[in-house]
Amino acid sequence: AQTVTQSQPEMSVQEAETVTLSCTYDTSESDYYLFWYKQPPSRQMILVIRQEAYKQQNATENRFSVNFQKAAKSFSLKISDSQLGDAAMYFCAYRFRGSNYKLTFGKGTLLTVNP
Amino acid sequence: KAGVTQTPRYLIKTRGQQVTLSCSPISGHRSVSWYQQTPGQGLQFLFEYFSETQRNKGNFPGRFSGRQFSNSRSEMNVSTLELGDSALYLCASSLALGQGQSNYGYTFGSGTRLTVV
Repeated sequence: AQTVTQSQPEMSVQEAETVTLSCTYDTSESDYYLFWYKQPPSRQMILVIRQEAYKQQNATENRFSVNFQKAAKSFSLKISDSQLGDAAMYFCAYRFRGSNYKLTFGKGTLLTVNP
Repeated sequence: KAGVTQTPRYLIKTRGQQVTLSCSPISGHRSVSWYQQTPGQGLQFLFEYFSETQRNKGNFPGRFSGRQFSNSRSEMNVSTLELGDSALYLCASSLALGQGQSNYGYTFGSGTRLTVV
């Protein structure tokens, strides 16, 4: 069974600084997707960034980028120029590309942004 | 473009009752999934539907059931409610091509907060 581990229950960062959230996963599959979702107090899970395992290039979305290390099964999220609106719970998620159609989530990291 | 709509937003039920939650996916999205979120267990997969067929089910008791209609709207039902069923129930929809998957990820609704007393 696949598992996703986020070892940092809480992180904090100063506004305009950079922060990295860690995620490791365990799978025997070679073809899968990885995601970072953000959940603010409004409760809605918002997709931040996604990575396809067969792509070696790390995904980037504006101030958000990932460091995908397939051999190490590591998928960290870097937030640059942190803004107050980035404060939220961040979840790392895994999905096998085959036919099980489900996301497996980590426990989440609560990010605080200090002004 | 409307997002994923879940109703109701909040619900309070008594132990032993049953409850039905509704989810309307983004227009054109044919895959709908349900997740339970609790402080202790985190986010756990309940089930996934595509074209009115359940394709996968998580490790939940038979009291949890769901269905999908021809317009892709989905409902989940929990019978004989227990205190431990108190949770945020999230619905997510995805653009699925044919019987396969896409890499677009899932778009989530804001959830239904269920409290069982």
